[in-house]
Amino acid sequence: EAGVTQFPSHSVIEKGQTVTLRCDPISGHDNLYWYRRVMGKEIKFLLHFVKESKQDESGMPNNRFLAERTGGTYSTLKVQPAELEDSGVYFCASSQTGGNQPQHFGDGTRLSIL
Amino acid sequence: AQSVSQHNHHVILSEAASLELGCNYSYGGTVNLFWYVQYPGQHLQLLLKYFSGDPLVKGIKGFEAEFIKSKFSFNLRKPSVQWSDTAEYFCAVTPWGTGGFKTIFGAGTRLFVKA
Repeated sequence: EAGVTQFPSHSVIEKGQTVTLRCDPISGHDNLYWYRRVMGKEIKFLLHFVKESKQDESGMPNNRFLAERTGGTYSTLKVQPAELEDSGVYFCASSQTGGNQPQHFGDGTRLSIL
Repeated sequence: AQSVSQHNHHVILSEAASLELGCNYSYGGTVNLFWYVQYPGQHLQLLLKYFSGDPLVKGIKGFEAEFIKSKFSFNLRKPSVQWSDTAEYFCAVTPWGTGGFKTIFGAGTRLFVKA
């Protein structure tokens, strides 16, 4: 089975530009999560989709971040406009329905804001 | 606020040494507990998990972890490490009743095993 895939693997943009990250979950996984790790810090939860609905977006830093999951398949995370503090690794994870299902992680997108 | 604390940021061991990585969490209710590992250049992988039952959990590659509820701890152990265990290890907690499945991670422990 294909794992969680994220694109791009690395993005370098200038402050003020827009970047869109994409996550393709494992087929059949209704739950999709976004996390972020700023260098040297812990991995922090951003938000959780169940199918196309946002179940929990309490971790989104501010309104410059917009996550979508149209159709309940892949998800995008857009940062507009990007700021220096947005640099980090953005992880996506997916899991099957049910509270006891482990999350499967993608390789992450390393975002560098110059 | 809910949090996960990993005791060591960096650990250096020689091969065959025993390993114990500490993890404590702050949440008074029921939790699911995980250890994830990220090998160099690879994605995060699940090492082991605890949901209920026997508090001593065995995972892949000879790792085990023990849930001690009274201490809010979930320490990871391995009797004899190998060079290939060099990686970053993350303790994670999913509290029940948070309205979703938000997982809270520790800051990670970088393990370097000398051959």
